[in-house]
This record gives sequence, C-alpha cells and structure tokens, in this order.
Amino acid sequence: ETGVTQTPRHLVMGMTNKKSLKCEQHLGHNAMYWYKQSAKKPLELMFVYSLEERVENNSVPSRFSPECPNSSHLFLHLHTLQPEDSALYLCASSQDWWGQPNQPQHFGDGTRLSIL
Amino acid sequence: RKEVEQDPGPFNVPEGATVAFNCTYSNSASQSFFWYRQDCRKEPKLLMSVYSSGNEDGRFTAQLNRASQYISLLIRDSKLSDSATYLCVGSYGGATNKLIFGTGTLLAVQP
Repeated sequence: ETGVTQTPRHLVMGMTNKKSLKCEQHLGHNAMYWYKQSAKKPLELMFVYSLEERVENNSVPSRFSPECPNSSHLFLHLHTLQPEDSALYLCASSQDWWGQPNQPQHFGDGTRLSIL
Repeated sequence: RKEVEQDPGPFNVPEGATVAFNCTYSNSASQSFFWYRQDCRKEPKLLMSVYSSGNEDGRFTAQLNRASQYISLLIRDSKLSDSATYLCVGSYGGATNKLIFGTGTLLAVQP
C-alpha cells in the first residue's frame, strides 16, 4: 500500500469547471511534488514544495494553482483547463528537496484527468 | 537531445529469458540514478537505486557507467509479472533532489 494517496482517481470535467486534486503523504517527508504524465512523454515536473514553501514552478500555466497547507497535504486547483491538459497527474514526496543525493521519490496512484 | 534517453521498446521476451535495458543521460552533474517500474495505468514505483559500484537485488542488477554516461538494468529469469514499463531516472544535479525521467522502456514477458 502506497504511503502517498491521491483523490480522486479519475476526474472528467468541462473546460469551464473548477476542481481540485488532493494528495496526502504519510511518510513524514518534507518535499512534495506535482507531475504531469502524458502518453509517450516523460514525467513533467510541475511544482515542488519544500517545508510548505513552493520552491519550483516549471512554467506551468496559471490555470493550475497548487496549494500546500501543511507538510502532509498538497492540492492542485484546476480552472478553465484545455483539452491538452488531459493526462495522469501524479503526486510524489521525498524526504527532502535540498541536500543529500540518492533520495527516491514515492508516488501516489495518480488522478486520471479528462477535459471535455 | 533528451536529458534521459531510453529505447521505448517494446521488448518481447519469453519467460525465463534475460533482458537488458540501457539508458543514457546528458547531464554529467547528475549524482543519483534510479530505475522505476510503472504498470499500465498505475503510478511509478521505485525498483532500485543505482550506485557507481553497481547493485543487485535478486533477479535485478543495475550498473552505472559515469564515463560513458549510461545506466543499465538487467533482469534474469523473466517472469510474466515483470511485464511493465521501466523508467530510467537521473537527478538534475546541483543542490536539489530534482529528478529527470526517461520516457520508459516497455517490457512484455510472454508465456
């Protein structure tokens, strides 16, 4: 069983809807990540939070808005998405963002998002 | 040029076969390397870390060649349950734990 849980598992929404993806990690990690995975493409890093502070934003459009209220929870708020935003959205965590190498990231099950 | 490059496959092998995947990376500053396994429509799961000296975990052996900037994964005695996509992952380098993922290599083990 994964130490990182995501809800919902599947989401279908229209382009004008507002929805949120939720991620919770039970591993005591200090860093949390949002990734986008599209077919036949490598995982694309979207955002990184370290100790609840956003430390990385990889040129993600403003229609994606992350929120990290505490070190265990991460949200991705969605608004006015486009069809090309349909993908698998993965949350991950690692012990830290800074410092020691060889820190793997642990992933949640993902939310499969479809934009109509 | 992709930062982490893998042959997408598919690799179709019979049960019991030995199969090897290679991966090349472009960033010589990368410090950490991993192999992840991703089943269809599921999340990536850490298979093993890759160390300079090479490491083995049961049927799986990972090797790192820094001079040539490539990483390998060897699977011996393939099982049907090994069928999955194998993601090669390297760190971005620098002070953070930012990871760069390859597109993955699809393995299909046939009965």
